[in-house]
Amino acid sequence: NAGVTQTPKFQVLKTGQSMTLQCAQDMNHEYMSWYRQDPGMGLRLIHYSVGAGITDQGEVPNGYNVSRSTTEDFPLRLLSAAPSQTSVYFCASSYLRAMDSSYGYTFGSGTRLTVV
Amino acid sequence: DAKTTQPTSMDCAEGRAANLPCNHSTISGNEYVYWYRQIHSQGPQYIIHGLKNNETNEMASLIITEDRKSSTLILPHATLRDTAVYYCIATRGATNKLIFGTGTLLAVQP
Repeated sequence: NAGVTQTPKFQVLKTGQSMTLQCAQDMNHEYMSWYRQDPGMGLRLIHYSVGAGITDQGEVPNGYNVSRSTTEDFPLRLLSAAPSQTSVYFCASSYLRAMDSSYGYTFGSGTRLTVV
Repeated sequence: DAKTTQPTSMDCAEGRAANLPCNHSTISGNEYVYWYRQIHSQGPQYIIHGLKNNETNEMASLIITEDRKSSTLILPHATLRDTAVYYCIATRGATNKLIFGTGTLLAVQP
């Protein structure tokens, strides 16, 4: 099925460990982004990309790295996990221009990360 | 992107229309109004978007005032499954970057 696939769905890390959250989409969307959502809070933009080879920072980029080597994939790397990074992470994709889509962003089902 | 203001929460009776307001008084001419919703713990779901004209799809209607300073999302016949947080976002279509606010928690009552 077409959509945004995030892996893993759940992860527990120890403080200081690194890991990569995977995000893949098969809709040929130019735009991809990562959000985090803390309990009871809204979504905050971490990083985004408007196409392969192009990334930019969002509202809360510190502690995270991204790269976009292909249109389909947009992995999020935690360099040295901290308890403050315990959150639910959502990946989203869309066509770059609003007028090219009647569907807006498509979100993945999320990765629930706990850092102990 | 223009700041949007929404009520923190609203109630609606099942089967009635739910009208969710959003104020975006500083919106610029090239910014679209988007609506998303998030049902508990799930990823947000796109509902509708518009620039100037009113829009309707199978989920909802979007009414944008003539001066574009506010809009209303209408769910014509709310069901219990429409209970969710609804986000109104103003953003330029060229970059499509969405910055989420705190949204409106809509509680549909039986």
